[in-house]
Amino acid sequence: QVQLVESGGGVVQPGRSLRLSCAASGFSFSSYTMHWVRQAPGRGLEWVALISFDGDIKYYADSVRGRFTISRDNSRNTLSLQLNGLRPEDTAMFYCTRGLRGATVSDYWGQGTLVTVSS
Amino acid sequence: QLVVTQSPSASASLGASVKLTCTLSSGHNSHAVAWHQQQPQKGPRFLMLLNSDGSHIKGDGIPDRFSGSSSGAERYLTISSLQSDDEADYYCQTWGTAIVVFGGGTTLTVL
Repeated sequence: QVQLVESGGGVVQPGRSLRLSCAASGFSFSSYTMHWVRQAPGRGLEWVALISFDGDIKYYADSVRGRFTISRDNSRNTLSLQLNGLRPEDTAMFYCTRGLRGATVSDYWGQGTLVTVSS
Repeated sequence: QLVVTQSPSASASLGASVKLTCTLSSGHNSHAVAWHQQQPQKGPRFLMLLNSDGSHIKGDGIPDRFSGSSSGAERYLTISSLQSDDEADYYCQTWGTAIVVFGGGTTLTVL
């Protein structure tokens, strides 16, 4: 079965960096677009970034462009998100999601990893 | 600009049906949307991809009680025979050129 397991979250000071990872299993990882989606405490879902199956195409939300970088390693079935210049408003649960074939939406979600930006 | 609008809240009685609405911004009537359910203190779960013609593809294990329909810019999620664990937040999601957008979500209360 499809499994997505995020890791790397934690408490970090404003301006610092963090790297999130997502270990994928149960499907052909290299064939799917992947996304990161976040959810601030008590708030709705916010799409963060996507990467195409081969890593050639990357798109970002305006709120993170230039600070966050999405990447993937198809040999290790791993998706990553590098978070630089973190701000308090980046505090959120970050979810790794698989892209649905033929549509740029999510069809499987991980359990999330919590990022807290605080001094 | 691609925007997705959802009512903040809805309620219905146990065993009844409820229809949740997701409205696409002007000029985006042909867009498909995904519906996701997020139960309290849990991660989201994909329910279905709903096309502009009302056809839909459900996620794994999603019961027949969940169905979708479309009319113009509106995308609907209907839940019949409401159960207590249908009480959750429901989000719709769509996409455009180089962007993915979520609606603000609807909190469903089962009375």
